[in-house]
Amino acid sequence: EPEVTQTPSHQVTQMGQEVILRCVPISNHLYFYWYRQILGQKVEFLVSFYNNEISEKSEIFDDQFSVERPDGSNFTLKIRSTKLEDSAMYFCASSADRIPNYGYTFGSGTRLTVV
Amino acid sequence: DQQVKQNSPSLSVQEGRISILNCDYTNSMFDYFLWYKKYPAEGPTFLISISSIKDKNEDGRFTVFLNKSAKHLSLHIVPSQPGDSAVYFCAASNTGNQFYFGTGTSLTVIP
Repeated sequence: EPEVTQTPSHQVTQMGQEVILRCVPISNHLYFYWYRQILGQKVEFLVSFYNNEISEKSEIFDDQFSVERPDGSNFTLKIRSTKLEDSAMYFCASSADRIPNYGYTFGSGTRLTVV
Repeated sequence: DQQVKQNSPSLSVQEGRISILNCDYTNSMFDYFLWYKKYPAEGPTFLISISSIKDKNEDGRFTVFLNKSAKHLSLHIVPSQPGDSAVYFCAASNTGNQFYFGTGTSLTVIP
């Protein structure tokens, strides 16, 4: 079964450092997303991406965040200068359609710990 | 900003019985709803969806009911199995891009 792959599974970084979280969406999917879940809290939308541009973003997705699809397979989330409150599980997701009849397919997540 | 609420943080059900997970939302513009299941250390896994033009959608042991007037949806699992034990999230959207998730209900199915 096709899956969304995220690397690394766990990343520890010092406050103020830049991190790049990597995702390989399902190959024939066109819509890509980043969500995050702070420990004990709900899953929160960060950004959606289609046709090489951001289609929607939340208030969380400020100037410190950026996304890129550098080639035909990878989808990355960059946090320029990490803060302690960026510690969370970050989930990448993809879908074939904008209205996903079969939901998104999520990756297993990257646990980001900012120290 | 609690646009989607799951008021029961946990639920325990005997194997073979029905599990009913509830979800309420506040935004009447939401027109598409999803249920996800999540195991520890894994990403959410899609279970079932429903659009606002329907009030019921069924897929095997899983049925989702939507009551638009009450802004309420529920997930029924019949019969419940021990492998169903997980955290269940409902999610809602009015654009197809951004989904708002509830805080989840942890289901335990007791053998």
